[in-house]
Amino acid sequence: NAGVTQTPKFRILKIGQSMTLQCTQDMNHNYMYWYRQDPGMGLKLIYYSVGAGITDKGEVPNGYNVSRSTTEDFPLRLELAAPSQTSVYFCASSTGGQEKLFFGSGTQLSVL
Amino acid sequence: AQSVSQHNHHVILSEAASLELGCNYSYGGTVNLFWYVQYPGQHLQLLLKYFSGDPLVKGIKGFEAEFIKSKFSFNLRKPSVQWSDTAEYFCAAHHAGGYNKLIFGAGTRLAVHP
Repeated sequence: NAGVTQTPKFRILKIGQSMTLQCTQDMNHNYMYWYRQDPGMGLKLIYYSVGAGITDKGEVPNGYNVSRSTTEDFPLRLELAAPSQTSVYFCASSTGGQEKLFFGSGTQLSVL
Repeated sequence: AQSVSQHNHHVILSEAASLELGCNYSYGGTVNLFWYVQYPGQHLQLLLKYFSGDPLVKGIKGFEAEFIKSKFSFNLRKPSVQWSDTAEYFCAAHHAGGYNKLIFGAGTRLAVHP
């Protein structure tokens, strides 16, 4: 069982570059989430989606964009990378808004 | 603002010691509460959850947590830790009744020495 798959696992960007973090799940979950984890800060919700074609902002959406064209995929786009976006990014999915989350293995992103 | 506070950022214990990790939340109304764990090199995974009913909930690997509404707390406990419990533990809260936002605490890194 693949569960939630994130790519890449590691990435170094220069300031101003753009990239897309990929996330796919094979559990047919409607709900998908992007979190970032900064040291000592817990996980902060960036964006979430309750189904294909529906996305909404979380706590820290600035500097990011998302799309949800299919149930399986929920990519996160960084348009102009900034050092403040250095973090570990986690994608997660669930069957409902109040159900347990299944997490991916994370993407370690450094912006230099 | 809604928040979740975890009192200890780092905890070091010897095997067989008892564990209690503190968690407080600031939600009003009915909340759903969770503890997630991240073992070294692994995904975050659910340890246990509380939605309603018995305030003492039991999770995997011998962990339990007690919901105390009057104290806005949901502390995690284990009577006797093992080296394999070394991990980072996150408390999280979710406003019951429609919110889709799970708020996480800052996490507690637990190191268990043999």
